[in-house]
Amino acid sequence: AQSVSQHNHHVILSEAASLELGCNYSYGGTVNLFWYVQYPGQHLQLLLKYFSGDPLVKGIKGFEAEFIKSKFSFNLRKPSVQWSDTAEYFCAVGSGAGGFKTIFGAGTRLFVKA
Amino acid sequence: ETGVTQSPTHLIKTRGQQVTLRCSSQSGHNTVSWYQQALGQGPQFIFQYYREEENGRGNFPPRFSGLQFPNYSSELNVNALELDDSALYLCASRLTSGGSYEQYFGPGTRLTVT
Repeated sequence: AQSVSQHNHHVILSEAASLELGCNYSYGGTVNLFWYVQYPGQHLQLLLKYFSGDPLVKGIKGFEAEFIKSKFSFNLRKPSVQWSDTAEYFCAVGSGAGGFKTIFGAGTRLFVKA
Repeated sequence: ETGVTQSPTHLIKTRGQQVTLRCSSQSGHNTVSWYQQALGQGPQFIFQYYREEENGRGNFPPRFSGLQFPNYSSELNVNALELDDSALYLCASRLTSGGSYEQYFGPGTRLTVT
């Protein structure tokens, strides 16, 4: 069965610290990879996505992620976090024809101290 | 704002009752997915509808059913409610065309089963 594993459930950082959130998935076929963010009281929104091509993808708000096929990983990074990055982050994998099923990880709650 | 709306915002039901949740997709989107997000967890894929037919389903029993209408609005119906059905229910819409897999999420309906 497909699954998505996020390494950390809670992360606390000070402003300007670097961020890396781990994500591993289990699926042998072609996948579409996503990171979503949910700010307090807001909708889930897409941070970035990978379908094909350059494995290093850049998203909104200075976030980037690297797809490493051999490791089944899609880690999220940001060189310098801000207080406004406090949110919950979800890694997700879409698979099947047209990405008919999207599997989410359990999420990582990030708290950035001002 | 994503253009995806859901109603109602909150709902309280009693065990054994039935509930219908509604979603209005973003204009032009022909695909809708429903997710269940329990407290502290990532969204769990329930099913997806494309052009009014279910074309993908997660590990949810048949008492979870859905409909998609010609105007691309949709419903999630849950029969014989159980306490564990208490969760945030999200719908997400997208346009299945040209390899676009980006989903847009609504704000969710929070269902409490007592």
